[in-house]
Amino acid sequence: DTGVSQDPRHKITKRGQNVTFRCDPISEHNRLYWYRQTLGQGPEFLTYFQNEAQLEKSRLLSDRFSAERPKGSFSTLEIQRTEQGDSAMYLCASSLPGGQRNTIYFGEGSWLTVV
Amino acid sequence: AQRVTQPEKLLSVFKGAPVELKCNYSYSGSPELFWYVQYSRQRLQLLLRHISRESIKGFTADLNKGETSFHLKKPFAQEEDSAMYYCALKNQAGTALIFGKGTTLSVSS
Repeated sequence: DTGVSQDPRHKITKRGQNVTFRCDPISEHNRLYWYRQTLGQGPEFLTYFQNEAQLEKSRLLSDRFSAERPKGSFSTLEIQRTEQGDSAMYLCASSLPGGQRNTIYFGEGSWLTVV
Repeated sequence: AQRVTQPEKLLSVFKGAPVELKCNYSYSGSPELFWYVQYSRQRLQLLLRHISRESIKGFTADLNKGETSFHLKKPFAQEEDSAMYYCALKNQAGTALIFGKGTTLSVSS
């Protein structure tokens, strides 16, 4: 499968611990996105990279969240001092540069449960 | 404000019946709208986008700027159409998608 891959697929952590998710986008996709999805809701935008530059961050991305894409390829999303409200599916997506014909492709997501 | 509203959480129809999944949006200017679908245990994937004016798997969607709607339609539902459907709007900056809450379509025989 050459689609967007995410790891781990599931993570259970205790409140207060740090967690990190990894995303490998489709090769040659220079745009990378992180979304969060909670039960009964659609995906909500968190942040967006073009190559290694983080160009946009949502207000949902609190100070405890940090995302990086150091070499413009894979990306990590770290959540520090997790809270129960962080329990959600974290989706990564990628696309080619902007333009009306460029599709955003999603990964299968990383489920986070904070207990 | 940029917003997408999908008023129905669940739509249940019988096989062969017509389907219409509703989507309304709020946006200043010319919107770019999409329908994404998520089949059971699969990733979210693009179904269609309004600029392509295409029909995918028998589904079509027409942008109605007067009613600010982008409803998804199919004349004859199939059981394999059962899935979660999300309407999405590209934000003003063109950098992200704004999703509705989704509608579960259940097609039974």
